[in-house]
Amino acid sequence: NAGVMQNPRHLVRRRGQEARLRCSPMKGHSHVYWYRQLPEEGLKFMVYLQKENIIDESGMPKERFSAEFPKEGPSILRIQQVVRGDSAAYFCASSSDRLRTDTQYFGPGTRLTVL
Amino acid sequence: AQSVSQHNHHVILSEAASLELGCNYSYGGTVNLFWYVQYPGQHLQLLLKYFSGDPLVKGIKGFEAEFIKSKFSFNLRKPSVQWSDTAEYFCAVAQGTYKYIFGTGTRLKVLA
Repeated sequence: NAGVMQNPRHLVRRRGQEARLRCSPMKGHSHVYWYRQLPEEGLKFMVYLQKENIIDESGMPKERFSAEFPKEGPSILRIQQVVRGDSAAYFCASSSDRLRTDTQYFGPGTRLTVL
Repeated sequence: AQSVSQHNHHVILSEAASLELGCNYSYGGTVNLFWYVQYPGQHLQLLLKYFSGDPLVKGIKGFEAEFIKSKFSFNLRKPSVQWSDTAEYFCAVAQGTYKYIFGTGTRLKVLA
């Protein structure tokens, strides 16, 4: 599962700046999921995407956060006008299908620090 | 709402000691259950998973877990830990087909 790539691994932003996190799924996987891990908490589901489609964004904050998974290229999680509370580890996972028996494979995460 | 509880946040063991990490979940329906491990500086790695069948699941690196439906539990075990098992361990439950719910993690430190 080392095939799920995320970059950057560490990102530092000042309040008000934009953060862009990238995720390249494993080869052959067309389903991408983003999770956020706040300090001392478990990973929390944010959004589920397939190519060019957002399937479920029920875990995404309504403002400042957006995600895409274009036809070509990696999935992007974008956070506009970051605030200190956005500091967290953001994990991307991918799977080959959305079947009940499918498994999600995770990337190394991007640790965002907002100064 | 579904939740996953990992009661042990920090565990310290000596090498060769036995390990059991607790995981309880709240969902009463059909569940998929997972244990992931995150070694320092590395990505989350799947240790084992349960979808159906034998409730005793064998995973990688000598780990196993037992699904006890009546107790809503999926505890992780290893008979003899090694220093290299030092890591953070996450229990997760799949809600529906894709929405994983994670516990807060257990940090295991194994003393050489």
